[in-house]
Amino acid sequence: GAVVSQHPSWVICKSGTSVKIECRSLDFQATTMFWYRQFPKQSLMLMATSNEGSKATYEQGVEKDKFLINHASLTLSTLTVTSAHPEDSSFYICSASRPGGWLSTEAFFGQGTRLTVV
Amino acid sequence: GQQLNQSPQSMFIQEGEDVSMNCTSSSIFNTWLWYKQDPGEGPVLLIALYKAGELTSNGRLTAQFGITRKDSFLNISASIPSDVGIYFCAGLAYSGAGSYQLTFGKGTKLSVIP
Repeated sequence: GAVVSQHPSWVICKSGTSVKIECRSLDFQATTMFWYRQFPKQSLMLMATSNEGSKATYEQGVEKDKFLINHASLTLSTLTVTSAHPEDSSFYICSASRPGGWLSTEAFFGQGTRLTVV
Repeated sequence: GQQLNQSPQSMFIQEGEDVSMNCTSSSIFNTWLWYKQDPGEGPVLLIALYKAGELTSNGRLTAQFGITRKDSFLNISASIPSDVGIYFCAGLAYSGAGSYQLTFGKGTKLSVIP
């Protein structure tokens, strides 16, 4: 399958600081990238959908000023958690869709980023 | 928005047994995807289904795209301990202008008893 690389895999930051997470599609161009948050033993919660060159579409209840998403190129999307607080600690996962027309589009995931805010 | 109902929520089975899980939705999807997630890792794509009625196998895994395009199932035959994990179904819908919407089920946690 296609490769999606997420960086960093694990980060600890102080409360009040900002953290940037990168999501790269290494061997394909991703017109759409998705950002998810996952709490322990729970499913993936979609935070936002990001299309290259346009503003991200945020799900209801997700603060767009707190979770800044930039999708400046077809291979890179970034999620910045601004002024992080302990309740933002979570597992963040990105996904990139590899377009093949609507008959063969697939989505691949990064390995996830474990964020701990202390 | 679109929702997927995935069942069962969790399963405990003996090694060697077959497993079946499914997802249903009130919405139509263009593609059904099945993923497995190990603890602390991102989900890994197992099988992708593109056509209504399509039946696809990947080793001991078999998945089908429902004829109505609103459901899918995943079967695992002769389970082994390394099958342990959380399995997610996902529906991919084309939302126009080159954009896609990906919706996930809540997952099925599989435990295999040796």
